[in-house]
Amino acid sequence: DIQVTQSPSSLSASVGDSVTITCRASQSISRYLNWYQQKPGIAPKLLIYAASSLQSGVPPRFSASGSGTEFTLTISSLQPEDFATYYCQQSSSAPLTFGGGTKVEIK
Amino acid sequence: QMRLVQSGGGVVQPGGSLTLSCATSDITFRTYGMHWVRQAPGKGLEWVAFIRYDGENKFYADSVKGRFSVSRDNSKNTLDLQLNSLRPEDTAVYFCAREVERWLQLRGLGDWGQGTLVTVTS
Repeated sequence: DIQVTQSPSSLSASVGDSVTITCRASQSISRYLNWYQQKPGIAPKLLIYAASSLQSGVPPRFSASGSGTEFTLTISSLQPEDFATYYCQQSSSAPLTFGGGTKVEIK
Repeated sequence: QMRLVQSGGGVVQPGGSLTLSCATSDITFRTYGMHWVRQAPGKGLEWVAFIRYDGENKFYADSVKGRFSVSRDNSKNTLDLQLNSLRPEDTAVYFCAREVERWLQLRGLGDWGQGTLVTVTS
């Protein structure tokens, strides 16, 4: 199975800050990497598909890049509604696997 | 956007069985693969199962293989997950989700259901 490791597991930031979350795969997954946002008590929401494709309706302050084994999600100018937990997920091969999550908290 | 409404779930004893359902009124349902994902209380996301748009291919996480079974009825726009031989570690909120794009399999999770809690306890 392909392991996906996210870092950091949590971070504190202020409104207006820029933050970056990293995801590393245990083997090359090309660009088969997705990013999700989850708020407490709510189902996750797909933000980024295929490493860098921003989903419809997602604000452009979200961006992502990477290929192979290293991927990043950047949120520029954090807004109050961005405080949530973010997950990466590989879709190169079954079983699909998620990173452990990064909780973005208000400083 | 596909609205997915989940039902089923509840409290069951170890070794017991349960069926979860996911329904939509969206007629494009038959063109999308469907997933099940779970989240144990206070934990991260775990992918559970996938069924191809036509029901021909199914994939399972090792943790549920042989105990859980995914099925769909495209004439009724419904998706089911049959959970057998349940264990306490299966306690989680279970989400259904559609594949990110039509006709594809295992490329990502687009729209999600609201989730339903399964609690396995004696």
